[in-house]
Amino acid sequence: DGGITQSPKYLFRKEGQNVTLSCEQNLNHDAMYWYRQDPGQGLRLIYYSQIVNDFQKGDIAEGYSVSREKKESFPLTVTSAQKNPTAFYLCASSLLGDNQPQHFGDGTRLSIL
Amino acid sequence: AQSVTQLDSHVSVSEGTPVLLRCNYSSSYSPSLFWYVQHPNKGLQLLLKYTSAATLVKGINGFEAEFKKSETSFHLTKPSAHMSDAAEYFCVVSRTDSWGKLQFGAGTQVVVTP
Repeated sequence: DGGITQSPKYLFRKEGQNVTLSCEQNLNHDAMYWYRQDPGQGLRLIYYSQIVNDFQKGDIAEGYSVSREKKESFPLTVTSAQKNPTAFYLCASSLLGDNQPQHFGDGTRLSIL
Repeated sequence: AQSVTQLDSHVSVSEGTPVLLRCNYSSSYSPSLFWYVQHPNKGLQLLLKYTSAATLVKGINGFEAEFKKSETSFHLTKPSAHMSDAAEYFCVVSRTDSWGKLQFGAGTQVVVTP
């Protein structure tokens, strides 16, 4: 079945460490997105990419980095510069064009030790 | 700019009774609107979308939503709640500042009691 796979499901980070969250899709979508979800809040956009080797900052990009070397993959690195990284991270993808719904993975929950 | 307001943070319903989740939006242009559902520790699943073809939109699992431009509303309804409907629901509007970007409401937590 086509879909989006995020791994790991749970991730723990020590202070000062960078961690990378994986996102892979086999839907043949050109666009991919990373969101952060905090309790009681909607989703906030971190980064997005419309094409391989190109990506743009979203609303809360500080302390995060991404790469898009392959169409299927869009990993997110949470750097030590992100002061409050504990959250639920969701990856999504969509076709290009207006009105296209986004399809979501099952998320990675990141916690600080 | 665009925004989404979900008028209820929590809704509690009895199994078999109707469900109403309220959403108001603001947008400079004719928006695309979506409702998503999220079960605990899961990603979001698309329930339905409005893209100007018809004001009453039918979605999965018996849900439907009505677009009312005069009221800038996009309320989600279901005639009869099921226990499996217990989840968080998000109203979402397409953003006008950049293609493909979405603006999410804060969510409505639905509790279904037997």
